[in-house]
Amino acid sequence: DVKVTQSSRYLVKRTGEKVFLECVQDMDHENMFWYRQDPGLGLRLIYFSYDVKMKEKGDIPEGYSVSREKKERFSLILESASTNQTSMYLCASHPIGITGELFFGEGSRLTVL
Amino acid sequence: AQSVTQPDIHITVSEGASLELRCNYSYGATPYLFWYVQSPGQGLQLLLKYFSGDTLVQGIKGFEAEFKRSQSSFNLRKPSVHWSDAAEYFCAVGVASSASKIIFGSGTRLSIRP
Repeated sequence: DVKVTQSSRYLVKRTGEKVFLECVQDMDHENMFWYRQDPGLGLRLIYFSYDVKMKEKGDIPEGYSVSREKKERFSLILESASTNQTSMYLCASHPIGITGELFFGEGSRLTVL
Repeated sequence: AQSVTQPDIHITVSEGASLELRCNYSYGATPYLFWYVQSPGQGLQLLLKYFSGDTLVQGIKGFEAEFKRSQSSFNLRKPSVHWSDAAEYFCAVGVASSASKIIFGSGTRLSIRP
């Protein structure tokens, strides 16, 4: 069964802390994504990666960075967390090309105090 | 840049009534289009997708969607809704490139009136 695993379901951090959100997929997919989901705003793309060490900015990359050192792992980094980054973060993957569906992780709910 | 607009934030329909959720996209070439559903407390599930060919596509749970290039629309329909259809629905558009960027709309929350 296909699986996208996000390391933390719930996190509480303080303003200014560095935050790492980890995502691992076991499907050998080339493409991986980070979205944030907020009520009334839907899913907004932060970053995506189409290969190891390759990344592209999405629509809201400010305040975030990503790392993809291995094909199966895509990390989202908040260098200095702020309260406006309190959100649900969703990782997803799909194989090369976009004919396949996105496979989502369960989400990481981050609260920044 | 591509974008997706779902003009209806919240829709309420009676159980057994028909449903149409609107989706408009902006993209220069032929888009790849998707509808996802998110039930309360659940992850996103793919309902259906359009890439080419027949503009009327069938999905799971009795849903269908029609691609209309002239209107830049990809509306989701169901002839008779069930209480279990209460959820949030997201339209998404994909860019046909090696980067495979997929953009989502803001979602439409569907409530079902008994």
